[in-house]
Amino acid sequence: NAGVMQNPRHLVRRRGQEARLRCSPMKGHSHVYWYRQLPEEGLKFMVYLQKENIIDESGMPKERFSAEFPKEGPSILRIQQVVRGDSAAYFCASSPGQGFSYEQYFGPGTRLTVT
Amino acid sequence: DAKTTQPPSMDCAEGRAANLPCNHSTISGNEYVYWYRQIHSQGPQYIIHGLKNNETNEMASLIITEDRKSSTLILPHATLRDTAVYYCIVLGYRGSARQLTFGSGTQLTVLP
Repeated sequence: NAGVMQNPRHLVRRRGQEARLRCSPMKGHSHVYWYRQLPEEGLKFMVYLQKENIIDESGMPKERFSAEFPKEGPSILRIQQVVRGDSAAYFCASSPGQGFSYEQYFGPGTRLTVT
Repeated sequence: DAKTTQPPSMDCAEGRAANLPCNHSTISGNEYVYWYRQIHSQGPQYIIHGLKNNETNEMASLIITEDRKSSTLILPHATLRDTAVYYCIVLGYRGSARQLTFGSGTQLTVLP
């Protein structure tokens, strides 16, 4: 059973460009979470999605950031007009959609560097 | 969710048991204790969780005190690959799955 997949693993963008980060959850998982880890800091929750729905986006910056999890295909975290402060590791996690289970399985992350 | 307190760092000799403590004195009856770890810049890895009974899986054991105010994660035979930051997270059920809140964790260094 393949784990959570993220691509690209490394992404370099110039200031002002757009960054698109992709996450494919584990098979059978319908819940996706995005977390950000700034250099030398801990992981911070950004957004929680189920298929075609944003459940909790309380950790998302109000501007330039958006996320989706369409009916078909991977979840996408989109950052418009990137700035140097967006440089970080972005991790996606998934969990099963049924029952009371908070075990989340994380992908390897996407390292975004803004130059 | 109850706040947790962990020591910032610990060392352990390779092959010995690593015992990582966590205080959660304000935990309530329906809150679970979860442990994750992050090995140098990799994605966090789920280890184990429990409510009030001790739990064991292929990775570790979780010992929760009777009053549930503290717990200990035990890695029975630590290896160099267990060097990581270990996070203790308390999470209560509110009718749906929820995000994890990571604190500072404990940096475990396994020494050869």
